[in-house]
Amino acid sequence: DTAVSQTPKYLVTQMGNDKSIKCEQNLGHDTMYWYKQDSKKFLKIMFSYNNKELIINETVPNRFSPKSPDKAHLNLHINSLELGDSAVYFCASSTRDRATDTQYFGPGTRLTVL
Amino acid sequence: GQNIDQPTEMTATEGAIVQINCTYQTSGFNGLFWYQQHAGEAPTFLSYNVLDGLEEKGRFSSFLSRSKGYSYLLLKELQMKDSASYLCAVREDSGYSTLTFGKGTMLLVSP
Repeated sequence: DTAVSQTPKYLVTQMGNDKSIKCEQNLGHDTMYWYKQDSKKFLKIMFSYNNKELIINETVPNRFSPKSPDKAHLNLHINSLELGDSAVYFCASSTRDRATDTQYFGPGTRLTVL
Repeated sequence: GQNIDQPTEMTATEGAIVQINCTYQTSGFNGLFWYQQHAGEAPTFLSYNVLDGLEEKGRFSSFLSRSKGYSYLLLKELQMKDSASYLCAVREDSGYSTLTFGKGTMLLVSP
């Protein structure tokens, strides 16, 4: 029944490790996003994919690599984790129709880098 | 680029009315969204304005003035569960639905 789901919900790891976060949506949307929300609760776009193609790539270190195997999934892989990567990462999805393109967010993944 | 400004915190009492303001500067405006985010949860959609005027949805209303780069979210008959962060987000006319969020207004409703 869940619209946008993410796994894991919590992720605690050491500096230097590589980790992945998975996102799936069952809304039939063709656009998916990754956002980062820092400790000050500022929500910032990282990437946007439309039909498996990258359309937006904000200024994000290249240690972050999104991958979209199909339009219902958008995963985020992070290499060589740093302390500053600690944040909550939200996946979202929407249609491309401007009349209905409200973004729906997943529950978030709280990443803590030690 | 965009600049979105909203107050950091507001307090109000149960049953009251509160107005949360948002001002923005953008090169190509194409819609303004309000989201609610409870602590530890995902943002959830509240309202959307693309034309000037007031949109009403139950206890929540949102107003937009494009010429002034200004919006507000009005919450009536406040309830304790309305304590949350309220995020103003602007969509630019870039062909894709990219939102730029303000830093959010933390609303605390007290008894």
